[in-house]
Amino acid sequence: ETGVTQTPRHLVMGMTNKKSLKCEQHLGHNAMYWYKQSAKKPLELMFVYNFKEQTENNSVPSRFSPECPNSSHLFLHLHTLQPEDSALYLCASSQPGQTNEKLFFGSGTQLSVL
Amino acid sequence: GESVGLHLPTLSVQEGDNSIINCAYSNSASDYFIWYKQESGKGPQFIIDIRSNMDKRQGQRVTVLLNKTVKHLSLQIAATQPGDSAVYFCAENKGTDKLIFGTGTRLQVFP
Repeated sequence: ETGVTQTPRHLVMGMTNKKSLKCEQHLGHNAMYWYKQSAKKPLELMFVYNFKEQTENNSVPSRFSPECPNSSHLFLHLHTLQPEDSALYLCASSQPGQTNEKLFFGSGTQLSVL
Repeated sequence: GESVGLHLPTLSVQEGDNSIINCAYSNSASDYFIWYKQESGKGPQFIIDIRSNMDKRQGQRVTVLLNKTVKHLSLQIAATQPGDSAVYFCAENKGTDKLIFGTGTRLQVFP
């Protein structure tokens, strides 16, 4: 158990659906991240939040909309996705400002877009 | 068994043998490196890390070696077990709060 919980574990949605991914961390960290993991590709950083403020948007299409209401919760709102958006979406947290800052990952949401 | 990281995405080793997973990094300014293990159905989990002022660090059954001259990182797993089967990622920190991940190497352990 890493202290980072993601729900749902699996999600199948049509291209016209709207859904949300949820992430919660119990580690007292102040930074949270969304990563996309596709087959045979490195982990792709999507968004970074530090102390609830978005500090990184890695050229992510607007059909992905993050929300960070507090330092413990992170959402990824999805709408009008494309089949190529099918991937494992990983949430992570860290404590910024520490020497040797490490990321702690959740188990991910496996998303399939039909 | 030995792998060359991105150029050989799968490493197969016999149970009980030592495994060596390699990773080449690109930026000589990187000063912090991490190895993660990702089992099927799970997110990446931290294994071991090393700073650039060191060339070797040991954990429980794992050792990370850093060769800054050739920008090379390796993970050695002693007495590989079936539970070590996973994808292993190296990651480098280029002095910011963003880790850059490699593609990963799949380790398969056979009896």
